[in-house]
Amino acid sequence: GNSVTQMEGPVTLSEEAFLTINCTYTATGYPSLFWYVQYPGEGLQLLLKATKADDKGSNKGFEATYRKETTSFHLEKGSVQVSDSAVYFCALSTFRGGSNYKLTFGKGTLLTVNP
Amino acid sequence: GAVVSQHPSWVICKSGTSVKIECRSLDFQATTMFWYRQFPKQSLMLMATSNEGSKATYEQGVEKDKFLINHASLTLSTLTVTSAHPEDSSFYICSAPKNRANYEQYFGPGTRLTVT
Repeated sequence: GNSVTQMEGPVTLSEEAFLTINCTYTATGYPSLFWYVQYPGEGLQLLLKATKADDKGSNKGFEATYRKETTSFHLEKGSVQVSDSAVYFCALSTFRGGSNYKLTFGKGTLLTVNP
Repeated sequence: GAVVSQHPSWVICKSGTSVKIECRSLDFQATTMFWYRQFPKQSLMLMATSNEGSKATYEQGVEKDKFLINHASLTLSTLTVTSAHPEDSSFYICSAPKNRANYEQYFGPGTRLTVT
């Protein structure tokens, strides 16, 4: 079956530090890959996505590249801010027929950025 | 942007009672909505796909008689936990797709259910 494994947290960084959250996956077929972010008290929001191998998703200074050879989709940001403190979920989507997809999530990584 | 709301945000109920959780798409229509369950320090697990005007599709291992789903309109899906037990205590999250390529979804803020 499909699965997503991401770096366990919590991760605590100082402002302006470099961030990497590792994510690897197992899937049949050709999944799309996502990073979702959940800020305190809010619902999950799509941060970025990549739909095919070698695609790079980017948003708000975050980047992740779809690496099929290593089945990875690591999240990076060059300089984190306090406002980036949140839980980050790696996920993959697989097609189930018609217009139906299924999202499979990693366990989430709590990031805390201190001033 | 599109917003999905859930009500209530938290609920405490006694064993044996039933609890209804609502999921609404506030500024868009959703023929499909998804219900997830999240245990502490674990990932979101898809429970079922809610389809407007037809029966919900449940994931393997999810009791359909235990978790009743109704999608009566294009903006509302409800999840009813029937005869709740302490092991049903969890965080329940719904989502609705933005468009036909429904992997890009909007998520509700979640509902914390505690069964005593």
